[in-house]
Amino acid sequence: DAGITQSPRYKITETGRQVTLMCHQTWSHSYMFWYRQDLGHGLRLIYYSAAADITDKGEVPDGYVVSRSKTENFPLTLESATRSQTSVYFCASSENESGELFFGEGSRLTVL
Amino acid sequence: GQNIDQPTEMTATEGAIVQINCTYQTSGFNGLFWYQQHAGEAPTFLSYNVLDGLEEKGRFSSFLSRSKGYSYLLLKELQMKDSASYLCAVLDSNYQLIWGAGTKLIIKP
Repeated sequence: DAGITQSPRYKITETGRQVTLMCHQTWSHSYMFWYRQDLGHGLRLIYYSAAADITDKGEVPDGYVVSRSKTENFPLTLESATRSQTSVYFCASSENESGELFFGEGSRLTVL
Repeated sequence: GQNIDQPTEMTATEGAIVQINCTYQTSGFNGLFWYQQHAGEAPTFLSYNVLDGLEEKGRFSSFLSRSKGYSYLLLKELQMKDSASYLCAVLDSNYQLIWGAGTKLIIKP
């Protein structure tokens, strides 16, 4: 099906482990984003990408790594998970820098 | 700093009208978005305003005043399915989206 999909939808891990959240979109949108959403906060941008092989930091990039070797994929890696990274993570895409965002279903991550 | 303010929670009655306000202070302005987010789901796009005035889309309307740094989302003929969080977001001069914390709207029968 066309759209933007994330995996896994739910993940429980332990402090110090590496975790990768996957994001795949079928629209060939140029822009892709990773946000985290926590109670009491707005969506906070972790990283974004304007095109393949172009990535840039957002508001809260520490502890996260991204790559974009192909236009359709934008994985997010937590190199050494911490409890403060327990959150709901949303991937999103858009055609251009001012267009509406299309969000994936979200990945709920719990770090014990 | 950049800031988006919206009420944390609002309650309204089925069939009524509700107005959700959003005020912003940002470095530049390239448009304002409203998104709807049902509990446990992803945000979905509702509206985009870049010029002053009212944009109507069915039961939902969005208003913008750039001089006042103010927007509102107006929901008419409320239905139970409108129970959700409504997120206000502003595109700043660097084309970065600044998000409000969201307004949780509770609809009562």
